[in-house]
Amino acid sequence: GQQVQQSPASLVLQEGENAELQCNFSSTATRLQWFYQRPGGSLVSLLSNPSGTKHTGRLTSTTVTKERRGSLHISSSQITDSGTYLCAMGGANTGKLTFGHGTILRVHP
Amino acid sequence: AQTIHQWPVAEIKAVGSPLSLGCTIKGKSSPNLYWYWQATGGTLQQLFYSITVGQVESVVQLNLSASRPKDDQFILSTEKLLLSHSGFYLCAWSQGPNSDYTFGSGTRLLVI
Repeated sequence: GQQVQQSPASLVLQEGENAELQCNFSSTATRLQWFYQRPGGSLVSLLSNPSGTKHTGRLTSTTVTKERRGSLHISSSQITDSGTYLCAMGGANTGKLTFGHGTILRVHP
Repeated sequence: AQTIHQWPVAEIKAVGSPLSLGCTIKGKSSPNLYWYWQATGGTLQQLFYSITVGQVESVVQLNLSASRPKDDQFILSTEKLLLSHSGFYLCAWSQGPNSDYTFGSGTRLLVI
């Protein structure tokens, strides 16, 4: 089945540093969707793009579908960015979104 | 605007007791609906999906069942809970199989 690998498993930054989160997937994806999981468990959709680069605020998502990888760049990290970031891939017409295990980000003052 | 509502927010249930979790989507007709489950410290796993009323596909077998009695409602249930059912249950919707997913706030279940 589809597999999604995220790296690093955890990341510790000082406020103001940039973060680069990686996502690799095992089969051809039609889209990659990034989520932030709140401490209580609920998910916030951050960015979604099937290929290329997309920006919103301090977030940049880059997906290279033919190389089966994607990344999420967080610039000028803030303490409130701390939490778990999940990458999920969708296959064509599968009705399935497969999640990675997540990257736990800690931003310190 | 579309809204997705899950109930209850949390449950503590005894092993062997029945369970019913609900999910309602407002503001969108004929959405694709999904149930996900996350064990503590685990990865989100898709359990079921439905593209239309009365039709549900199972993705992972966990001794649970799902039903879609109305266009805007998705129900997850079991007649006998197991300890392994503990975790966090999330409902989601999308416009189609290749569209972005939007998740509800989830239900935290503890089976004792």
